[in-house]
Amino acid sequence: QIVLTQSPALMSASPGEKVTMTCSASSSVSYMYWYQQKPRSSPKPWIYLTSNLASGVPARFSGSGSGTSYSLTISSMEAEDAATYYCQQWSSNPPTFGGGTKLEIK
Amino acid sequence: EVKLVESGGGLVQPGGSLRLSCATSGFTFTDYYMSWVRQPPGKALEWLGFIRNKANGYTTEYSASVKGRFTISRDNSQSILYLQMNTLRAEDSATYYCARAPEIYYYGSSYYYFDYWGQGTTLTVSS
Repeated sequence: QIVLTQSPALMSASPGEKVTMTCSASSSVSYMYWYQQKPRSSPKPWIYLTSNLASGVPARFSGSGSGTSYSLTISSMEAEDAATYYCQQWSSNPPTFGGGTKLEIK
Repeated sequence: EVKLVESGGGLVQPGGSLRLSCATSGFTFTDYYMSWVRQPPGKALEWLGFIRNKANGYTTEYSASVKGRFTISRDNSQSILYLQMNTLRAEDSATYYCARAPEIYYYGSSYYYFDYWGQGTTLTVSS
């Protein structure tokens, strides 16, 4: 199965700061998906097919990458962006999730 | 409005069994792959398995960690997804989510991801 490694596992950012987190795949994947999860809530789809924002996701978010390296970027951190973000692939079965990046506000 | 509502979680002794349900509404149930994903307390998401849609014969796939112990099924007449869990272990303790997986056609190929999730139901396996 394809293993997804997210880095960093924990990060903090100040309001207005640019944030980038990465997801590395053990084998090449066609596309990457990202989910946002806040405490005591279920995950929400955030980015699909690598770079498409899910409904309601602010335009300050973006996704990019190809092959084995993908990233999620926030152009200007806001307090509401504090959450854990998971990457996920389904280029081959089984679908797998990364370990998550917990993003905190400074 | 798309809704997924899980139920059936609780406290079970090691070696026991439990069936989770996911009641859905707001979409044509038979058109979609449906999946179960779990999350142990403080840990990452773990995909457990999925059941394909009508067009793909409702066949199933499972993760290695639960294959042979867990079974996914669906009642298409009532739009309910099930997860039958047998021979439960302490490490199965988690919040269990059902999730819908639409088929996305993109540049001539089909892709899937999880676009709607339930609120989760919690399983604790302990004596």
